[in-house]
Amino acid sequence: GNSVTQMEGPVTLSEEAFLTINCTYTATGYPSLFWYVQYPGEGLQLLLKATKADDKGSNKGFEATYRKETTSFHLEKGSVQVSDSAVYFCALTPLLVKIIFGKGTRLHILP
Amino acid sequence: DTEVTQTPKHLVMGMTNKKSLKCEQHMGHRAMYWYKQKAKKPPELMFVYSYEKLSINESVPSRFSPECPNSSLLNLHLHALQPEDSALYLCASSLKDQRGGGEQFFGPGTRLTVL
Repeated sequence: GNSVTQMEGPVTLSEEAFLTINCTYTATGYPSLFWYVQYPGEGLQLLLKATKADDKGSNKGFEATYRKETTSFHLEKGSVQVSDSAVYFCALTPLLVKIIFGKGTRLHILP
Repeated sequence: DTEVTQTPKHLVMGMTNKKSLKCEQHMGHRAMYWYKQKAKKPPELMFVYSYEKLSINESVPSRFSPECPNSSLLNLHLHALQPEDSALYLCASSLKDQRGGGEQFFGPGTRLTVL
């Protein structure tokens, strides 16, 4: 079946630290992969996406690479800010199947 | 215009009330979605409209009734809700339906409280 597994939170880091949030998936075929971010009290925003193997999605200093060999799409940022505090959802959309979300990782950045 | 708007932002209703949530997008997207999100959980799909026709109903209770008057508007009519229906209700849209594999654009949500 299709599923997404992401690291449990909360993740707490100091400002300017390096961030990695792990995401692995199982899927049939060749899904598109996404990271969505949800700031407190808001809806989800698309952060970045990748549609095929070895694609790198990037936005606002965040990056993730579609690794088919390890079925992973880890989110990274070199230097986090307090304003990055939010919940991050890894997601995939296999063809002919609805979007599958991970459980979400809550990120706290301390000043 | 690259956003999905939702009204109202907050809604408090009693179990005997009838209310409606509204969603609008002007991106030319032909698929629109309703999700329910409980605290600290990912969104759960409720309904999908594709080209203004209901294509997916995830076994949602009949007290929730969706409506798509045109390609830009999506409503969710609420009647006789239960306290456990209190949640954040999110609307989303995509260029074509989710089976096409494209990204969805989400609105800010309506925070619903049922007393």
